[in-house]
Amino acid sequence: EPEVTQTPSHQVTQMGQEVILRCVPISNHLYFYWYRQILGQKVEFLVSFYNNEISEKSEIFDDQFSVERPDGSNFTLKIRSTKLEDSAMYFCASSGPVTPNEKLFFGSGTQLSVL
Amino acid sequence: AQKITQTQPGMFVQEKEAVTLDCTYDTSDQSYGLFWYKQPSSGEMIFLIYQGSYDEQNATEGRYSLNFQKARKSANLVISASQLGDSAMYFCAMREGQADSSYKLIFGSGTRLLVRP
Repeated sequence: EPEVTQTPSHQVTQMGQEVILRCVPISNHLYFYWYRQILGQKVEFLVSFYNNEISEKSEIFDDQFSVERPDGSNFTLKIRSTKLEDSAMYFCASSGPVTPNEKLFFGSGTQLSVL
Repeated sequence: AQKITQTQPGMFVQEKEAVTLDCTYDTSDQSYGLFWYKQPSSGEMIFLIYQGSYDEQNATEGRYSLNFQKARKSANLVISASQLGDSAMYFCAMREGQADSSYKLIFGSGTRLLVRP
């Protein structure tokens, strides 16, 4: 069965450093998302992306965050200057190709630790 | 107000028995979608089942069924014939708005299910 893949599975970084989290969505999907889960808390929506632009974003997704689809297969989340509170599990997800949200498939996540 | 409420932080069930995980939701939209995801200890989020607000039949996927009671705004997950591998965290989530225009899922706080042998 096709799946969303995320790399790396774990990322450790120093506060203030830039990180890029990578995702390969399911190949025929057109809608892409990032969610995060701080340890012990709810899964939170960050951003959705369709047709090469952000379609919706949460208040968490401030100027420190950006997303990009640099080629036909990858979808990335960049955090420009990491803060301690950015430590979380980051999930990439994709859906489609017809409607965006009937079945949303998640990757296995990247655990980001900011020291 | 909470959009998605899961009132059971933890549940036990005996192997081979059925279990119901509760979920209530709050929305004023007429069109919305309800999801259940499983998160094992390894951390990934596994899609289990989806129910659209206009679907007349309760959704079923193998051993999973969704008991959708629209008037009560509840979307309980029923797992039949529990297996040890069902031990995990289970999240209920909602998409407000129509499937072709809305993108954000709102998650509940989760229920940790432990299946006893």
